[in-house]
Amino acid sequence: DVKVTQSSRYLVKRTGEKVFLECVQDMDHENMFWYRQDPGLGLRLIYFSYDVKMKEKGDIPEGYSVSREKKERFSLILESASTNQTSMYLCASSLFGTAYTQPQHFGDGTRLSIL
Amino acid sequence: RKEVEQDPGPFNVPEGATVAFNCTYSNSASQSFFWYRQDCRKEPKLLMSVYSSGNEDGRFTAQLNRASQYISLLIRDSKLSDSATYLCVVNNAGTYKYIFGTGTRLKVLA
Repeated sequence: DVKVTQSSRYLVKRTGEKVFLECVQDMDHENMFWYRQDPGLGLRLIYFSYDVKMKEKGDIPEGYSVSREKKERFSLILESASTNQTSMYLCASSLFGTAYTQPQHFGDGTRLSIL
Repeated sequence: RKEVEQDPGPFNVPEGATVAFNCTYSNSASQSFFWYRQDCRKEPKLLMSVYSSGNEDGRFTAQLNRASQYISLLIRDSKLSDSATYLCVVNNAGTYKYIFGTGTRLKVLA
């Protein structure tokens, strides 16, 4: 089974702090993604990466950055946390598909509260 | 118009009932389709992929109607444990982007 592990289930930080969310997958997947999920808004893509050191902005990249130094690890960084970044953060990975897109597999999620 | 639309529900059904949800998508170039299940405050979990005209996994059947641009999920013999939110996900050909519906909530009642 695919295992996607996020470093924290719950996290509380203060406004202005730099926050790191880590994600590791063990299935040698090329693609990795960071989403946030808020009630009524569904999942929104923040960033994704299709290879080491490669990254692409998603729909809501403002206030975030990412790092992918190794294939199995994809980090999300909140440069200066703000209260509107309080949310559930989900990491996902998927295998590169040649004919059809492969499904994503999600980590357990990190519930981040910014005070 | 949203790219992927789902009826939010909730669908309240008795145990043992058959229930079906639809999901419509707007981009005719969409090529890959998935159903996920998400329990409250948990991560989405892949239920099934829908690559062709349809597929079945136990009590669950997914169908794709390209002409009308929708996919459906049928659950037979509903169990209490099927209570969850079901997310429809669509990928457009040649992109890395997965487009999520906001989900349909199912409550199976004893």
